[in-house]
Amino acid sequence: DSGVTQTPKHLITATGQRVTLRCSPRSGDLSVYWYQQSLDQGLQFLIQYYNGEERAKGNILERFSAQQFPDLHSELNLSSLELGDSALYFCASSPRQGAGNTEAFFGQGTRLTVV
Amino acid sequence: GENVEQHPSTLSVQEGDSAVIKCTYSDSASNYFPWYKQELGKRPQLIIDIRSNVGEKKDQRIAVTLNKTAKHFSLHITETQPEDSAVYFCAASTRGDNNDMRFGAGTRLTVKP
Repeated sequence: DSGVTQTPKHLITATGQRVTLRCSPRSGDLSVYWYQQSLDQGLQFLIQYYNGEERAKGNILERFSAQQFPDLHSELNLSSLELGDSALYFCASSPRQGAGNTEAFFGQGTRLTVV
Repeated sequence: GENVEQHPSTLSVQEGDSAVIKCTYSDSASNYFPWYKQELGKRPQLIIDIRSNVGEKKDQRIAVTLNKTAKHFSLHITETQPEDSAVYFCAASTRGDNNDMRFGAGTRLTVKP
C-alpha cells in the first residue's frame, strides 16, 4: 500500500457527462500529480499541485480541471466526456523535502469508462 | 520544461538474456532519475533510482547508469525472468522542495520463457 488513496476505483459514465475523481495523498506530502494512462500508452502528465497551488500543467484538456484543497486532497474534474477519455487516471504524491528529491507514490488509479 | 524520451517502446527478450532501456532528458537541472515498473493492471512502483552525483547504481539484477554530460540514463536488467515482464517508465526530476517529475512514454518488456 503506497498510502495514496484514489476513489472511486472504477467509474462508468455516458458521453457528455461530468465526473470527479478524488485523491488523498500520503500524510505529509504536499505535491499531487495527476496522470492519464490510455490503453497501451504511457503516463501522460496532466497537472501538478503543490500545497494548494497549481504548479505545472501538462497535456490537460480544457474540459478537465483540478484543484487541491487545504487538507491537501485533490480532485480531478472531467466534463463533457468523450469516448476517448476512457483511461486509467493515476494520482501520485511526493514528499516535502528540504533538498533533493524522492520518489512519487502512486495510488491504485481510477479506471474511467465512457460509454 | 523537462522532456523525457524513452526507447524502445517495446522490447522482447528470451529468459536469461539482458534487457536495456534508454532515456534522455532535456533539463540540465534534473538531478533525480527514478525507474518505475508497472505490472498489468497495477500501479507504477519504484524499482530503482539514481541521483546526479552518482554514475551507476546496482540492486541485484537491475542497474541504472547516468551520463549527465550527454543527459541520458539507462536501465539494465540481467538474467531476465518472466516476472520481469511489465511496462517500465523512466522519469526525471529537478532540484527543489517539490518535484517536477516527468515520465518517459514507457517500455513494454516481454520476457519469453
